[in-house]
Amino acid sequence: GAGVSQSPSNKVTEKGKDVELRCDPISGHTALYWYRQSLGQGLEFLIYFQGNSAPDKSGLPSDRFSAERTGGSVSTLTIQRTQQEDSAVYLCASSLSAGGETQYFGPGTRLLVL
Amino acid sequence: QKEVEQNSGPLSVPEGAIASLNCTYSDRGSQSFFWYRQYSGKSPELIMSIYSNGDKEDGRFTAQLNKASQYVSLLIRDSQPSDSATYLCAVLNAGKSTFGDGTTLTVKP
Repeated sequence: GAGVSQSPSNKVTEKGKDVELRCDPISGHTALYWYRQSLGQGLEFLIYFQGNSAPDKSGLPSDRFSAERTGGSVSTLTIQRTQQEDSAVYLCASSLSAGGETQYFGPGTRLLVL
Repeated sequence: QKEVEQNSGPLSVPEGAIASLNCTYSDRGSQSFFWYRQYSGKSPELIMSIYSNGDKEDGRFTAQLNKASQYVSLLIRDSQPSDSATYLCAVLNAGKSTFGDGTTLTVKP
């Protein structure tokens, strides 16, 4: 079966532009997570969805970051007015539910803001 | 104080030795605990999950959890060069996952 997919795999943008990152979870997985990983650092939790709702948005770094999930499947992470410090790998993961099951990670989107 | 702290690395062990990785966490409400392995430039992949106090063994890997001490560890027996990677400890509470910064392990042939 297909794993978690993310697109684009790489994105180079100019400071001030908006970007959209997409995550397609494993079919049947109701929980979906977004993380950010800067070079040489651990994973920074951004947000998670159970179905289409996001019970915890506390990890979003600023109001420039937003995420949505529709149909209990695909999720989009949007970064408005990108800054150079937004450059990182954005990882998406999904699990059967948010109750403690294993998270399966996608390949990530490498974002570079010039 | 970080929510999840891992022993500082890098950690280097000879092939065949036991590698010991440690993790402490601050949230006593944490319910689920995971060890992930991440090769350079790749995404994390699950090594072990543990939910109750005690030991859990899977092949060469043993996870240990002590909720009273807020401590979780991973032992890798008979370490192989292919085990060389960064190991991430993750703690989950009510859907929110918190990862440590990772410990980089090098297994020397």
